[in-house]
Amino acid sequence: DTAVSQTPKYLVTQMGNDKSIKCEQNLGHDTMYWYKQDSKKFLKIMFSYNNKELIINETVPNRFSPKSPDKAHLNLHINSLELGDSAVYFCASSQAIGQGAMETQYFGPGTRLLVL
Amino acid sequence: GDSVTQMEGPVTLSEEAFLTINCTYTATGYPSLFWYVQYPGEGLQLLLKATKADDKGSNKGFEATYRKETTSFHLEKGSVQVSDSAVYFCAFEGYQKVTFGTGTKLQVIP
Repeated sequence: DTAVSQTPKYLVTQMGNDKSIKCEQNLGHDTMYWYKQDSKKFLKIMFSYNNKELIINETVPNRFSPKSPDKAHLNLHINSLELGDSAVYFCASSQAIGQGAMETQYFGPGTRLLVL
Repeated sequence: GDSVTQMEGPVTLSEEAFLTINCTYTATGYPSLFWYVQYPGEGLQLLLKATKADDKGSNKGFEATYRKETTSFHLEKGSVQVSDSAVYFCAFEGYQKVTFGTGTKLQVIP
């Protein structure tokens, strides 16, 4: 069984469109994250949620809006897509938050977004 | 501010060669340090960790030692295999936040 799953795996869309990426974890974790990995492989945290509450929001444009309907899901909605949004987006989850969270952090397979 | 600096890649080695990927960090206090590996087309996986000074993390033949005096956590492996080809990320964990390095791509050729 997949621990952290993301859909879709690939997403190709036109500039200006609105799209969503879904993430689900079946590990019973309380904390979920979204990361962006650019073309140079640089990985940066975007958001983290703990028990459906926003904990971290790292200077991400407000076109990006995470939504957590329950603690097993953290979806990412992107409005008015721009060329610079092209990247791989990784969802992750962990049992804890704060010190020690990384030791139990599991990553999804990534969603490859290409904005044309 | 907090940051992680990794050596630029790509690194290309022949099978059975010795590997070193340098990593230094700037952080407040004494964070836990990690190496993650990303195989082609997959998400990141935790490779090894060290939580305090002089700790050595090890897994799958890879090792890294937490050096407080040089704020470094260099990754080493004595004999790499083709299956080690991947991108390696150094990272540390601060308060509620993880900081990753830029990743170093390793390519091992037969």
